Amino acid sequence: GQNIDQPTEMTATEGAIVQINCTYQTSGFNGLFWYQQHAGEAPTFLSYNVLDGLEEKGRFSSFLSRSKGYSYLLLKELQMKDSASYLCAVRDSNYQLIWGAGTKLIIKP
Amino acid sequence: ETGVTQTPRHLVMGMTNKKSLKCEQHLGHNAMYWYKQSAKKPLELMFVYNFKEQTENNSVPSRFSPECPNSSHLFLHLHTLQPEDSALYLCASSSTWPENTEAFFGQGTRLTVV
Repeated sequence: GQNIDQPTEMTATEGAIVQINCTYQTSGFNGLFWYQQHAGEAPTFLSYNVLDGLEEKGRFSSFLSRSKGYSYLLLKELQMKDSASYLCAVRDSNYQLIWGAGTKLIIKP
Repeated sequence: ETGVTQTPRHLVMGMTNKKSLKCEQHLGHNAMYWYKQSAKKPLELMFVYNFKEQTENNSVPSRFSPECPNSSHLFLHLHTLQPEDSALYLCASSSTWPENTEAFFGQGTRLTVV
């Protein structure tokens, strides 16, 4: 079967750096997405990786290794507003989007 | 204001009721989606409409009935639901499907079936 694994919950300190990992086993690969979802709000798009390597976008970076079936989302200079759930999703060879259950990130002062 | 608007935000309904969820997008997108989000579970894609035509129906029970009258509006008609159908129902849209690189979500309808 196809699945996405990411930690259920992580805690980090304001101003620090945190890395949220995502591993996947899918039938083929056509891109990996990261979304942020604050409690009670809509998921919002953060990043899209289709080639190996690091994509940097301000305080957020996303890394992909297709050979390892692995991605991570790196958040720098953490702010309290970064407390949210982070969703990893992979598009397989049939263009079906497979979602992880999300990682709840708690930021402490 | 989000580009994708869902109403109502909250809905409580009995198992014998009939209700409808509404989604509207002002982004000029051609594809619209319904997702179900249950606590601590992955998002479940329910339906996809591309250029008003239903292209995906992921084994969704017939008590959920989608309707897409035009590219900007999407409805989910509900009838004789079960308590396990209680969840957050999210609507999303994208400019293209299935090769889109980004989807825009509405804030969802929190549905409780009693």
